[in-house]
Amino acid sequence: GAVVSQHPSRVICKSGTSVKIECRSLDFQATTMFWYRQFPKQSLMLMATSNEGSKATYEQGVEKDKFLINHASLTLSTLTVTSAHPEDSSFYICSARVNEKLFFGSGIQLSVL
Amino acid sequence: ELKVEQNPLFLSMQEGKNYTIYCNYSTTSDRLYWYRQDPGKSLESLFVLLSNGAVKQEGRLMASLDTKARLSTLHITAAVHDLSATYFCAVGRAAGNKLTFGGGTRVLVKP
Repeated sequence: GAVVSQHPSRVICKSGTSVKIECRSLDFQATTMFWYRQFPKQSLMLMATSNEGSKATYEQGVEKDKFLINHASLTLSTLTVTSAHPEDSSFYICSARVNEKLFFGSGIQLSVL
Repeated sequence: ELKVEQNPLFLSMQEGKNYTIYCNYSTTSDRLYWYRQDPGKSLESLFVLLSNGAVKQEGRLMASLDTKARLSTLHITAAVHDLSATYFCAVGRAAGNKLTFGGGTRVLVKP
């Protein structure tokens, strides 16, 4: 199956700083990627759709100025959490579609101290 | 607004017995997904159901879809410990790309 890579698996940053996390498609090209957020013991919530070469589309309630998404190439999408706060601590997972299946990355656990 | 409800939220299973997880959704959708998630890990795709009456089976897991009732079920046959995980259903919109997830069912299989 297609491989979606997210590394490292855990990121720790100080409150007030910005942090960038990546999502890479390793063996296919992804014009569209999706970013989800999952709080502990909760379900996944779609944050935004990342489109290669154009602006991301955000779901209702997601602050686009806080969660900056860049999809500069067909194999890389990045999510930058600006001025991170402890409440932004969460598991961030990306996905990409190949044929009828959606493949998910391994996720990145962000901890804001 | 599309809503997806799973039940039960928690399922304690005995090895060797059969169980069913239910997934109801509120509006018409073009596809339904089932995923498995182990603690601290990402999602493993189990099934994609595309049409009314679709049934797919893999090992001890079988998923079905009734689009008229807006209901999907994940049936576990003769549960084993390795099946302990959280199972999510997700309903696709916008050509199946955007997923709305159910709340998840945490499954614990006890000997």
